[in-house]
Amino acid sequence: NAGVTQTPKFRVLKTGQSMTLLCAQDMNHEYMYWYRQDPGMGLRLIHYSVGEGTTAKGEVPDGYNVSRLKKQNFLLGLESAAPSQTSVYFCASSPGFPNDETQYFGPGTRLLVL
Amino acid sequence: AQSVTQLDSHVSVSEGTPVLLRCNYSSSYSPSLFWYVQHPNKGLQLLLKYTSAATLVKGINGFEAEFKKSETSFHLTKPSAHMSDAAEYFCVVSDKRDSGYSTLTFGKGTMLLVSP
Repeated sequence: NAGVTQTPKFRVLKTGQSMTLLCAQDMNHEYMYWYRQDPGMGLRLIHYSVGEGTTAKGEVPDGYNVSRLKKQNFLLGLESAAPSQTSVYFCASSPGFPNDETQYFGPGTRLLVL
Repeated sequence: AQSVTQLDSHVSVSEGTPVLLRCNYSSSYSPSLFWYVQHPNKGLQLLLKYTSAATLVKGINGFEAEFKKSETSFHLTKPSAHMSDAAEYFCVVSDKRDSGYSTLTFGKGTMLLVSP
């Protein structure tokens, strides 16, 4: 049982390049989330999914797209990276209320956009 | 709308002395509250959670927190700090939705420094 895994762990991009971050969970959770963490800001929600085939916008969705084609995977895409997207990205999953609303986090992806 | 305020950005203690990390919240619902810990260059690990059962919640590694509705607080404590407790701590409030998912609102974090 690996929990929540994220690929890659670290990436450097040039402005304008695109990339996809992969999140995978093996806990059969319905709900999945993408956050970004910036110094002094805590974590902010980018997008989330309440089930396979569904996605919704969070607090800071601009410049990102997501897809949830399979229940266990949640992809975060940057179509044209900008320096403002330099951050640490965390994925999380949750069984959902009322069963368990706790969110379980992956180890993070550090992204540097030059 | 919900919000979380962590009252101290940094807390410094000596090893073996008590730890107090303060958190106030606001929520329109009956909230669930969490404390997460993040060690350097690591992901977030759940310390403990309050979900409307006992108001004193015990977590891992000797931490506990008390939910005080009248004070809208959820402070984190530990009787005796250990060097391995040095990390960043996040207080989090959950906005429960009828549809089954919850949106977490994070505090900005408190960095705990432990000196020998």
